[in-house]
Amino acid sequence: EADIYQTPRYLVIGTGKKITLECSQTMGHDKMYWYQQDPGMELHLIHYSYGVNSTEKGDLSSESTVSRIRTEHFPLTLESARPSHTSQYLCASTQGGGYTFGSGTRLTVV
Amino acid sequence: RKEVEQDPGPFNVPEGATVAFNCTYSNSASQSFFWYRQDCRKEPKLLMSVYSSGNEDGRFTAQLNRASQYISLLIRDSKLSDSATYLCVVLHPGSARQLTFGSGTQLTVLP
Repeated sequence: EADIYQTPRYLVIGTGKKITLECSQTMGHDKMYWYQQDPGMELHLIHYSYGVNSTEKGDLSSESTVSRIRTEHFPLTLESARPSHTSQYLCASTQGGGYTFGSGTRLTVV
Repeated sequence: RKEVEQDPGPFNVPEGATVAFNCTYSNSASQSFFWYRQDCRKEPKLLMSVYSSGNEDGRFTAQLNRASQYISLLIRDSKLSDSATYLCVVLHPGSARQLTFGSGTQLTVLP
């Protein structure tokens, strides 16, 4: 049973739309992360948070933004989706040590 | 140079074979080490942690060589269900991003 949830699982959306990818965890973890991964390619860190009101950009330049108003919730927002944003987005959390990943959101921008 | 380097493969092995994956890391201050498994179009899942003394979990054996900054994963008697990408993951507490993922080694076990 998953302790970290991502919604939606799949999303197809038109160019220029604003979207928010949801990520919630029930483990009380302080540290949360967003990764972007194209099929067959490596994970790229795009955002991370060490706790409430703490957010940082990762290694991969991203036009997305994140917020961390509550410990359990770490949503990612794209203000204006583009076809180049088509990818899988994975959320993860940890209290230190190994990560637990959500099932991901597969985003397609048409 | 990447912080964590893995042979990308693919490794295509017959069922029942023994296969070994290697991984090197560049930061000598790295503290903890993991192997993750990722199935196609799925999220990565923790396979096992890697301890200094080496550790075994069923058919899987992980080893760490701190002097050479080298980690390995050995899979014995490979099964079709072992087909996946295996990610080497390193934790160094000095990094704000905490965990660094290798790019993965793809394994296909053939019948």
